[in-house]
Amino acid sequence: EVQLQESGPGLVKPSQSLSLTCSVTGYSITSNYWGWIRKFPGNKMEWMGYISYSGSTSYNPSLKSRISITRDTSKNQFFLQLNSVTTEDTATYYCARVKLGAYFDYWGQGVMVTVSS
Amino acid sequence: DIQMTQSPASLSASLGETVTIECRASEDIYNGLAWYQQKPGKSPQLLIYNANSLHTGVPSRFSGSGSGTQYSLKINSLQSEDVASYFCQQYYDYPYTFGAGTKLELK
Repeated sequence: EVQLQESGPGLVKPSQSLSLTCSVTGYSITSNYWGWIRKFPGNKMEWMGYISYSGSTSYNPSLKSRISITRDTSKNQFFLQLNSVTTEDTATYYCARVKLGAYFDYWGQGVMVTVSS
Repeated sequence: DIQMTQSPASLSASLGETVTIECRASEDIYNGLAWYQQKPGKSPQLLIYNANSLHTGVPSRFSGSGSGTQYSLKINSLQSEDVASYFCQQYYDYPYTFGAGTKLELK
């Protein structure tokens, strides 16, 4: 069974970087696509980006040059880095398998990140 | 970006009732649409993909339909465990975008 688990700090200061890890079990990240989605207070959902089986990436243009998604295939993990965060980046962050690079068929349980000084 | 307008924002229905939730895209998304269910404190679960294909393990009382810009999720014979929020997602074009969600409660 595919399982995903997010980990990372729950509190980040403004202007700093947010870094999260998604650990995957039951499936190799060298197959399929692996993405990050966030849910803001008020319930708006935003697709942030994904990394493919080959390591190529696709990002939401709204995040411009602030986002980076990388991976460590030896640990079967992929990572989110979001730079120069503001309070508007406060959200619950989810990692997910992106089936065929399209829809999200397995999700992690989510990690709440608050940006505050 | 493709805008997804979801309605209603909230819905109250009785056990056994049939419920329909709709999503309208700002342009044709050629059936590139998924529906998710999210219960409080839990992660979203995929229900439907490609507008009308039922994800593995999802009860058959859930169904999806639509084409072009108009799509709907139908829940037949509402059960207590269906109390949740539901939202749609288009994946026809980047960036992928979501509907605002529908909160389903029991009457």
